[in-house]
Amino acid sequence: GAVVSQHPSRVICKSGTSVKIECRSLDFQATTMFWYRQFPKQSLMLMATSNEGSKATYEQGVEKDKFLINHASLTLSTLTVTSAHPEDSSFYICSASGGRSPAGGYGYTFGSGTRLTVV
Amino acid sequence: AQSVTQLGSHVSVSEGALVLLRCNYSSSVPPYLFWYVQYPNQGLQLLLKYTTGATLVKGINGFEAEFKKSETSFHLTKPSAHMSDAAEYFCAVSDLRNTPLVFGKGTRLSVIA
Repeated sequence: GAVVSQHPSRVICKSGTSVKIECRSLDFQATTMFWYRQFPKQSLMLMATSNEGSKATYEQGVEKDKFLINHASLTLSTLTVTSAHPEDSSFYICSASGGRSPAGGYGYTFGSGTRLTVV
Repeated sequence: AQSVTQLGSHVSVSEGALVLLRCNYSSSVPPYLFWYVQYPNQGLQLLLKYTTGATLVKGINGFEAEFKKSETSFHLTKPSAHMSDAAEYFCAVSDLRNTPLVFGKGTRLSVIA
């Protein structure tokens, strides 16, 4: 089945530094990747959609200069949180489309998430 | 635009009892519908999905869901709850391939021994 590897799973950084989160599709080509943010006990909020080789499309209210998304290949997308502040602390999850899901056929596959804590 | 409503932010059942998690959607086109499960500090795992064809969809871990167009519903059921089913469940909808999933707010399932 389709597998998406997301790293790191946890990261603690100092305020003002930048953090890069990687999302790799291991056994399929991810034509599109999505980045979500999840606050405690809440649902997933879409941040941006990225297609390989083109600029990401950001959702309203998401700062594109703070959350830099790169989708340089069909198997790798990265999210860089620049000049991180405590309010950026959250759970970030990537999702890739283009592979065959465990339930069969086309589907969306999610990474295991990254817990970012900014101190 | 699509939207998803999950009725009940928290559902509690006894071990061995029926699990029913409700999901209603709105979509202007035939939807793709999904149910995901999330354990603490983990990503989402697909339970099942409906795209086309048979409206009763069977998924992993004994879960199934039925797409009812007339009711715009896609409720998730499992005949007998296990302790290991305790988790957060999300219903999601999309209208096209490669478009983002729209998620419901989630339902936390507790299983009581």
